[in-house]
Amino acid sequence: SQWGEENLQALSIQEGEDVTMNCSYKTYTTVVQWYRQKSGKGPALIILIRSNEREKRSGRLRATLDTSSQSSSLSITGTLATDTAVYFCATNTGNYKYVFGAGTRLKVIA
Amino acid sequence: AQTIHQWPVAEIKAVGSPLSLGCTIKGKSSPNLYWYWQATGGTLQQLFYSITVGQVESVVQLNLSASRPKDDQFILSTEKLLLSHSGFYLCAWSSGTGGYEQYFGPGTRLTVL
Repeated sequence: SQWGEENLQALSIQEGEDVTMNCSYKTYTTVVQWYRQKSGKGPALIILIRSNEREKRSGRLRATLDTSSQSSSLSITGTLATDTAVYFCATNTGNYKYVFGAGTRLKVIA
Repeated sequence: AQTIHQWPVAEIKAVGSPLSLGCTIKGKSSPNLYWYWQATGGTLQQLFYSITVGQVESVVQLNLSASRPKDDQFILSTEKLLLSHSGFYLCAWSSGTGGYEQYFGPGTRLTVL
């Protein structure tokens, strides 16, 4: 993608481990959204971080945003097998336009 | 609570045939609506958005068109399918009163042969 890009990764970890995924983007964005997509389903928004926030937490999820380096990260602590999914970051490029990153495929082994 | 429904669940179509996919949002007045396409194993590519009935903006040209005939309905169509149209089509909505959160439907799987 020209805009939101993630380090394309496929991760396989054991249940209980922590994991961090990264996302970099090439244009100014008001927000960075992180979505989780399970196989055959539509994506679900799991956390949104605004440009004036450096960190956002929601349960076992933690998102960070560094606007100077135009990068964001998503961390999951104490992973569960049910966290197995593809995770996308998405940026808002203005005027109702969104760009999704390449995605990180996470497999959590029970 | 808002619900989003897409139809059909899956389609198998021939190259050159027409296509119409639909999306309905219930429980939300005047939502912003979006169409996305996702290749198998790929990321989401935004195709269209609409912020009001009768007005649709194209984000990328893929020989597809979209219409919003009602406040709660969004239609994606083409007169002639290409092999490259195969994939997963997702409809999403966001609040028309602000907010960037998008809520996706279950998607339609399209196979073009």
